Amino acid sequence: AQTVTQSQPEMSVQEAETVTLSCTYDTSESDYYLFWYKQPPSRQMILVIRQEAYKQQNATENRFSVNFQKAAKSFSLKISDSQLGDAAMYFCAYRSYMNYGGSQGNLIFGKGTKLSVKP
Amino acid sequence: DSGVTQTPKHLITATGQRVTLRCSPRSGDLSVYWYQQSLDQGLQFLIQYYNGEERAKGNILERFSAQQFPDLHSELNLSSLELGDSALYFCASSANRGTQYFGPGTRLTVL
Repeated sequence: AQTVTQSQPEMSVQEAETVTLSCTYDTSESDYYLFWYKQPPSRQMILVIRQEAYKQQNATENRFSVNFQKAAKSFSLKISDSQLGDAAMYFCAYRSYMNYGGSQGNLIFGKGTKLSVKP
Repeated sequence: DSGVTQTPKHLITATGQRVTLRCSPRSGDLSVYWYQQSLDQGLQFLIQYYNGEERAKGNILERFSAQQFPDLHSELNLSSLELGDSALYFCASSANRGTQYFGPGTRLTVL
């Protein structure tokens, strides 16, 4: 079974600075998706970024980028020029690429990292 | 706005009762997923439907059931409620192998 681990329960960053959130995962599959979701105090789950495992290029979305290391099974999120609105829980998630067995594409989440942004 | 809607936003009920949570997926999405978020268990997958058929089950209790209707909206039924069922219940939808987009969630409080 796949697992996702976020080893940093809480992180803090100064406004306008850069912060990196860590995520590692365990799988025997070769094709899969990885995601970062943001959950602000409103509790809405918001997609931040998505990475397909077969793509070597790291995904980027504006101030958000990932460092995907497939061999190391590592998927970190870098937030540049941090803003007050970035304060939230961040969840790393894994999804199988193929539908087989009991896996039909559901997300497997880490326990989250709470990010605080200091003005 | 993700395009996924969930009703109600909040639900307060008593132990032993039964409730129904409703979800409407994004236009065109055939897959609906239900997740439970609690303080002790984190975010856990409950069940998936695809075009009206059950596709996968996760950590869903026997007291819980779900269905997806021809118009693709889905309902999650929770019965014989216990204090430990208090949680935030999310619905998400996706196109085939696509990203899952989440609704705003239903906060269930069991007293």
